[in-house]
Amino acid sequence: DTAVSQTPKYLVTQMGNDKSIKCEQNLGHDTMYWYKQDSKKFLKIMFSYNNKELIINETVPNRFSPKSPDKAHLNLHINSLELGDSAVYFCASSQGTAQGWNEQFFGPGTRLTVL
Amino acid sequence: AQSVAQPEDQVNVAEGNPLTVKCTYSVSGNPYLFWYVQYPNRGLQFLLKYITGDNLVKGSYGFEAEFNKSQTSFHLKKPSALVSDSALYFCAVRDSGSNYQLIWGAGTKLIIKP
Repeated sequence: DTAVSQTPKYLVTQMGNDKSIKCEQNLGHDTMYWYKQDSKKFLKIMFSYNNKELIINETVPNRFSPKSPDKAHLNLHINSLELGDSAVYFCASSQGTAQGWNEQFFGPGTRLTVL
Repeated sequence: AQSVAQPEDQVNVAEGNPLTVKCTYSVSGNPYLFWYVQYPNRGLQFLLKYITGDNLVKGSYGFEAEFNKSQTSFHLKKPSALVSDSALYFCAVRDSGSNYQLIWGAGTKLIIKP
């Protein structure tokens, strides 16, 4: 019955590697997001997709590439991982557009540690 | 432009006492305002939102928030705190008249002591 799920929950990897985080929502929502939460718990929007179309693309290194194969999935691929990429990454979804008033539903997070 | 501020990094309250977590905002037009809670090692959960209408909004777990347009505030409140309310609370705002995305506050850690 999980609404927004992410895999993996933990990811430990070496600098320079490429990794992916997967996200799926079964809520029938139109919009999905990726957030980065740093060690100080500050939350930063990275990307937003509406019906598989990229809507928001914040100032994020182009090593980060989101992919939305369908409305229910938004995956995050990270190339050439750096130490500063270590953080918790949250996927979220909402009905309507990112500019609407609908609340967002968050996944459990993926804790990425780059060594 | 739009912004949101949570002036307190941490709020400490004794169990059973009322609690307030502060949020102020700045938008050009009318705001959409949200509160979310994050328990340790968990994703954020929606608590409540103000879109329009009654200034007092009731949400999950007995929380409520009051929209104050003149003071541009949306403080989160609960009449009687529980130890289980201890968590990180985020306020977020969006200008309803713009295409801007949601802006998140820095979060306030709420600690309820038995």
